[in-house]
Amino acid sequence: AQSVTQLGSHVSVSEGALVLLRCNYSSSVPPYLFWYVQYPNQGLQLLLKYTTGATLVKGINGFEAEFKKSETSFHLTKPSAHMSDAAEYFCAVSDSGGYQKVTFGTGTKLQVIP
Amino acid sequence: GAGVSQSPRYKVAKRGQDVALRCDPISGHVSLFWYQQALGQGPEFLTYFQNEAQLDKSGLPSDRFFAERPEGSVSTLKIQRTQQEDSAVYLCASSLRLSGASTDTQYFGPGTRLTVL
Repeated sequence: AQSVTQLGSHVSVSEGALVLLRCNYSSSVPPYLFWYVQYPNQGLQLLLKYTTGATLVKGINGFEAEFKKSETSFHLTKPSAHMSDAAEYFCAVSDSGGYQKVTFGTGTKLQVIP
Repeated sequence: GAGVSQSPRYKVAKRGQDVALRCDPISGHVSLFWYQQALGQGPEFLTYFQNEAQLDKSGLPSDRFFAERPEGSVSTLKIQRTQQEDSAVYLCASSLRLSGASTDTQYFGPGTRLTVL
């Protein structure tokens, strides 16, 4: 069975500071890993995903994540936070290679302080 | 439209009522997914379709939940005899193909917020 743990349900950063949102996964097979962002009253938007190949994945809006198999982690980072980054972020894992059985984490709400 | 649309956006039902939630995927998208997102939680998989075929319904919480996609485009999620625990946001998503490969992307609709009183 696959699972995802997001450390910290709320994270606050100052504008311009580093954003680090943590995600650890459990999967019995090589995983597909995803980060989604959800703005209020909107659906989820894919930020980035890891399937195979390069372990450092770059996504939209300046975000990136690194797949570390030894640490079973897929942490999301952004060098400099913008006010517009305030949203809820979800890490997700799929061990099927497809979207039909993606398991989501419980989410991390990012607050950006001016 | 350019994205996935869902209707209604908000639905209030009295306990015991039946509700129907609609999803219009992106035109031409083969795969369609339904998720349930309870307050403060991540989305949980309910069911998915490849064209009109419902290939997996293992996430449906009870036999009160039923989904269909008769012509391989619009999908309806029906909940019979609603209960308070059904209160959640129901998300629909579509993708061009089934695979989660890097050449494909899953697009989510804005969701329907269901409140059962």
